[in-house]
Amino acid sequence: GAVVSQHPSWVICKSGTSVKIECRSLDFQATTMFWYRQFPKQSLMLMATSNEGSKATYEQGVEKDKFLINHASLTLSTLTVTSAHPEDSSFYICSAPRQDSYEQYFGPGTRLTVT
Amino acid sequence: GENVEQHPSTLSVQEGDSAVIKCTYSDSASNYFPWYKQELGKGPQLIIDIRSNVGEKKDQRIAVTLNKTAKHFSLHITETQPEDSAVYFCAAPPMFSGGYNKLIFGAGTRLAVHP
Repeated sequence: GAVVSQHPSWVICKSGTSVKIECRSLDFQATTMFWYRQFPKQSLMLMATSNEGSKATYEQGVEKDKFLINHASLTLSTLTVTSAHPEDSSFYICSAPRQDSYEQYFGPGTRLTVT
Repeated sequence: GENVEQHPSTLSVQEGDSAVIKCTYSDSASNYFPWYKQELGKGPQLIIDIRSNVGEKKDQRIAVTLNKTAKHFSLHITETQPEDSAVYFCAAPPMFSGGYNKLIFGAGTRLAVHP
């Protein structure tokens, strides 16, 4: 399978600060990447679709000004949680599909804790 | 839009027994059905998938069956081992996803295999 990395694997930040999470596809190019959020013992909720060379597409109910997404290259997408609050604490996971395929490969996830 | 329901939410089996997890989907046009395994604190890992032009696919102890008429697909794990303990997610693509290869995930099944 393909390899997708995330950095950092965990982060603790203070309320009001911003945190950036990186997602990289290591062995293939990804024009699209997906960002998910997962609360404890719950399923993966799609937040947004990151598109290389264009704006991200957000799912209904996700604040685009709070969750900034930038698809800087064919192998890198970043998610910035701005003005973080304790309710933003969650497990954030990215995935990348191979081009023209439904097969998605997930990163290891980033656990964000906002104090 | 696509709705994916997964049952059971928890499943406990003895080592060596079989485990079956079932998912139903709503969009009759869906044509790709993956299963993911997520271990604690990690990202989901694709374990097997099936496309709508076949009814069954097998990979060693894991198999997936698809019934397009009834709109359901199932994961079968035979000769379960303690390392099979994890959360399993099914998924299906919404047909109208704006050209992106999105997936809609089921709620997950927590499988516990007892020695």
